[in-house]
Amino acid sequence: AQSVSQHNHHVILSEAASLELGCNYSYGGTVNLFWYVQYPGQHLQLLLKYFSGDPLVKGIKGFEAEFIKSKFSFNLRKPSVQWSDTAEYFCAVKSGWNAGNMLTFGGGTRLMVKP
Amino acid sequence: KAGVTQTPRYLIKTRGQQVTLSCSPISGHRSVSWYQQTPGQGLQFLFEYFSETQRNKGNFPGRFSGRQFSNSRSEMNVSTLELGDSALYLCASSLADSSNEQFFGPGTRLTVL
Repeated sequence: AQSVSQHNHHVILSEAASLELGCNYSYGGTVNLFWYVQYPGQHLQLLLKYFSGDPLVKGIKGFEAEFIKSKFSFNLRKPSVQWSDTAEYFCAVKSGWNAGNMLTFGGGTRLMVKP
Repeated sequence: KAGVTQTPRYLIKTRGQQVTLSCSPISGHRSVSWYQQTPGQGLQFLFEYFSETQRNKGNFPGRFSGRQFSNSRSEMNVSTLELGDSALYLCASSLADSSNEQFFGPGTRLTVL
């Protein structure tokens, strides 16, 4: 079964610092990869996704992620965080041809950005 | 356009009871998935319905069931509630093709006493 690991459970940064959140998955076949964000009191929303093509994908709000197949990784990055980026971030993977819309989520990373 | 709606938003039940949660997908979306979110286990996939058929099922006991109606609205049912069923239950909808983005609802917070 697929598993997804997010290495950092809590991250605290100051505004303007750079961000990198790690995500590794276990399934070795074809995967679709996602990062979702949950702002305090709000719904989960999609930051970015990778299905195929350029392994460097850009999402909303200045976020980007790089798919490295050989490392089974899909790390999220942002060059300069803002206080409004305080939220919980989830990496998710859809694996296998018959997965439909079934997502396996990582445990989440809580990011706090200090003003 | 309106997002995914879930009712009720909050629910308190006692052990042994059963509960039904409802999800209305975004108009035109035919796939509805359900997830359970808890502090200990995180976000876990329950099941997905597409065109009134269960397309995938997660690793949950048979007490958890669901269905989808012809208008794509979905319900999930939990019977014989246990304390450990206390969680936020999230519904997500997407267009027919599984390569499309899933849009999540606000969730139903279930507390089992």
